[in-house]
Amino acid sequence: GDSVTQMEGPVTLSEEAFLTINCTYTATGYPSLFWYVQYPGEGLQLLLKATKADDKGSNKGFEATYRKETTSFHLEKGSVQVSDSAVYFCALDNQGGKLIFGQGTELSVKP
Amino acid sequence: DVKVTQSSRYLVKRTGEKVFLECVQDMDHENMFWYRQDPGLGLRLIYFSYDVKMKEKGDIPEGYSVSREKKERFSLILESASTNQTSMYLCATYLRGNTEAFFGQGTRLTVV
Repeated sequence: GDSVTQMEGPVTLSEEAFLTINCTYTATGYPSLFWYVQYPGEGLQLLLKATKADDKGSNKGFEATYRKETTSFHLEKGSVQVSDSAVYFCALDNQGGKLIFGQGTELSVKP
Repeated sequence: DVKVTQSSRYLVKRTGEKVFLECVQDMDHENMFWYRQDPGLGLRLIYFSYDVKMKEKGDIPEGYSVSREKKERFSLILESASTNQTSMYLCATYLRGNTEAFFGQGTRLTVV
């Protein structure tokens, strides 16, 4: 079945460091791909998305490119802030109308 | 803004109790979902519903049931709570044909 695999956390970075969180997926067909973020004490919210190969999703300085050849959707940010500390989830929707999530990666940014 | 409201933020129940978790959305979204969130396991789908009175099993439906009598309300039922159902429960909704899901704040359930 369809699945999503993320790099394990927690990830601890200093402020202004470069961030990469790896995400790979297994799916038949052409899924839509997402990154959701969960700030402490809150539910998940959409960070960015890409609906077809080579699309780049971006928001709040984060970006991810849909790479069909490597079945990947890695999240990147050039300079993280303390306020980016959260749990990040990679997810896919394979046109079945339901989201499949990865394990989540906890990010902690220190001043 | 879409609002998804879960009835409780924190809940403590005893083993064997019947537990109801309620989720209400204030937009006209067809699709509603219940997930549980556990460390290292991410979000796992319990049940989902595409319309009133319709429900489908997700990946881990055992020990759970659901009810959707009205479009805006999707209830998760633990028929006889057990300690391995201690978890964070998240409700989500989205509009058919759209690609953004909206989540409630979660209910942290502890079964003792």
